Amino acid sequence: AQSVTQLGSHVSVSEGALVLLRCNYSSSVPPYLFWYVQYPNQGLQLLLKYTSAATLVKGINGFEAEFKKSETSFRLTKPSAHMSDAAEYFCAVSEWGNNDMRFGAGTRLTVKP
Amino acid sequence: EPEVTQTPSHQVTQMGQEVILRCVPISNHLYFYWYRQILGQKVEFLVSFYNNEISEKSEIFDDQFSVERPDGSNFTLKIRSTKLEDSAMYFCARWAPKIWGHDQETQYFGPGTRLLVL
Repeated sequence: AQSVTQLGSHVSVSEGALVLLRCNYSSSVPPYLFWYVQYPNQGLQLLLKYTSAATLVKGINGFEAEFKKSETSFRLTKPSAHMSDAAEYFCAVSEWGNNDMRFGAGTRLTVKP
Repeated sequence: EPEVTQTPSHQVTQMGQEVILRCVPISNHLYFYWYRQILGQKVEFLVSFYNNEISEKSEIFDDQFSVERPDGSNFTLKIRSTKLEDSAMYFCARWAPKIWGHDQETQYFGPGTRLLVL
């Protein structure tokens, strides 16, 4: 069975600083990995995905993520945080696009001025 | 990617009442899903639906829940007798294969229905 663990329920950075959100996964097969963002009182928006191609994937809003099989990690980064990045971020895993997705507990990102 | 709409956006109901949440994919899709997010918690898989049948369901999806696609378009989640702990955001998601012109590597989520059971 697949699962994800997000390290840190709350991350706080200053505007302009590096954003780094961590996710570790467990999967018996090569996984599909995703990062979703949820703004307050809104739905889930796909930021980016890894599906066994390049290990460094670029997403929207300047985010990118690195897949490291040896560490079973899928790390989300953004070089320079913006106030509008404040949101909840969810890492998710599935075996294939149409399989049920398993989400992490979420990391709330706060951006200080 | 085509959108998914969900109705209603918010619903308040009394404990013990039945609720029906609706999902309307704009274009044809093959798989449909319901996920739930209790306030402040993670998103949890409830059920997947394929070819007018339940494909998979989680332990959360008990006899109080049912899904159907009655008219080939709307995909509904029914909660027969709501409990306080059913209060949550419910997300519909959909998936279609690449040969239909979709990104088959992921599911796309609707905006959610916020259900409050009093």
